[in-house]
Parts: sequence; structure tokens; C-alpha cells
Amino acid sequence: EVQLVESGGGLIQPGGSLRLSCAVSGFTFSDYYMHWVRQVPGEGPVWVSRLNGDGSRTDYADSVKGRFTISRDNAKNTLYLQMNSLRVEDTALYYCSKSVSGRFENWGQGTLVTVSS
Amino acid sequence: EIVMTQSPATLSVSPGERATLSCRASQNVNNNLVWYQQKPGQAPRLLIYGASTRATGIPARFSGSGSGTEFTLTISSLQSEDFAVYYCQHHNTWLWTFGQGTKVEIK
Repeated sequence: EVQLVESGGGLIQPGGSLRLSCAVSGFTFSDYYMHWVRQVPGEGPVWVSRLNGDGSRTDYADSVKGRFTISRDNAKNTLYLQMNSLRVEDTALYYCSKSVSGRFENWGQGTLVTVSS
Repeated sequence: EIVMTQSPATLSVSPGERATLSCRASQNVNNNLVWYQQKPGQAPRLLIYGASTRATGIPARFSGSGSGTEFTLTISSLQSEDFAVYYCQHHNTWLWTFGQGTKVEIK
């Protein structure tokens, strides 16, 4: 059974940093692109970042480029999102997701990030 | 950025009735269109990909159609477990975007 479990969210002041983690199981982690997708309650999901299987290619939404860094440790089956210079508008539920051919096939339960003073 | 526009925002339907949800892309996305279902407190769940292919375990009452810029998700006979929010998403360019969702509620 595929499982994705996010952690690391919390309350942080504007300008602060957080690192999210996503521990996965049930599939060969290094074979898949992995993503972070965020969602403000009541709104549609928003894609944030993706990383290919060997960690050599990253993409970011313009809203987070230069502030967020996606990475992975294939030996630990874990995906990360380092979030720096956080802004109030980064407040959301952050999901990690495994994609197959453009579709988000599996999702975690999400971890809540609240940026507020 | 391709903008995905879903309509209506809310659809009130009685159990057993048919529901038709629309998704429009601001430019051609071919058939690179995905539908998800999301229930309160849960992550989105993959329903349809390639505009019309049901994901594993999705009941046959869910069907998708369309290509280019106009897409439709049809639920042929609504069951109680189908009342939820539905999102479309394209992956035709590197920047994948979602619609704002259609909430299917009990009439």
C-alpha cells in the first residue's frame, strides 16, 4: 500500500524558515517524480514544486522560486521542502504527492503551515 | 500560465440524479486533463486522467469527456458518498494548474 506522511508544519513568523518532510512507503521512491502541492482551505490546490527521481531536476512555481528548495533522500525514502523567507501568503496545507504521467496519483494527509506574527 | 475555470461553483443535486461539471482551459491542453474528488478533511483523490480514463477503483458512474479547452465530468447517478468538491487539473505545460473547484451538494 502506498503511503505518504508529511510532517514539519507549524506556526512561524513572517521571514522565518521551516523544513517539511514527507516519508513514503509502498513503492520504489527513486522511480518517481515527487511534488509539493499546497491548498488554502476553501480554495483549489496549487502546485508548488517538483523533483525528478534522481534529484537532478527541479521546478518551482514563481511564487516560491528563490525561497523554497525541494530535495529528496532516496536512501531514506523521504522528500523535503525547505521553506525560507516565509510570507503570510504561504499559509496553507502542504501536501506531498507522487505523480505518474502528469497526474497526482497519491497524496499524503498534509501538514499545516501558518505564517503569522 | 494556463487558467482552469470550473463551473458552476456549486451544484445542488438530489441523490440518484445526474451531475454534469464543466472545466474550461484558457488555452489548448489537448487531453492532458485530470479530475479529482476532495471530501472535507481529506486529500484530493484521483478520479479521471487523460480526460476520460477512470483511475483504479473508480466506479463506472464517473465519466470524463472533452479535449482541447472544454471538458466535462459526469456522475450518472449520484450516491451519498459522491457529495464533495471536484477539481480539474491540466498538465499540458510544465506549470500544472488546478481549477477552483465545483462543490456538489445535496439538494
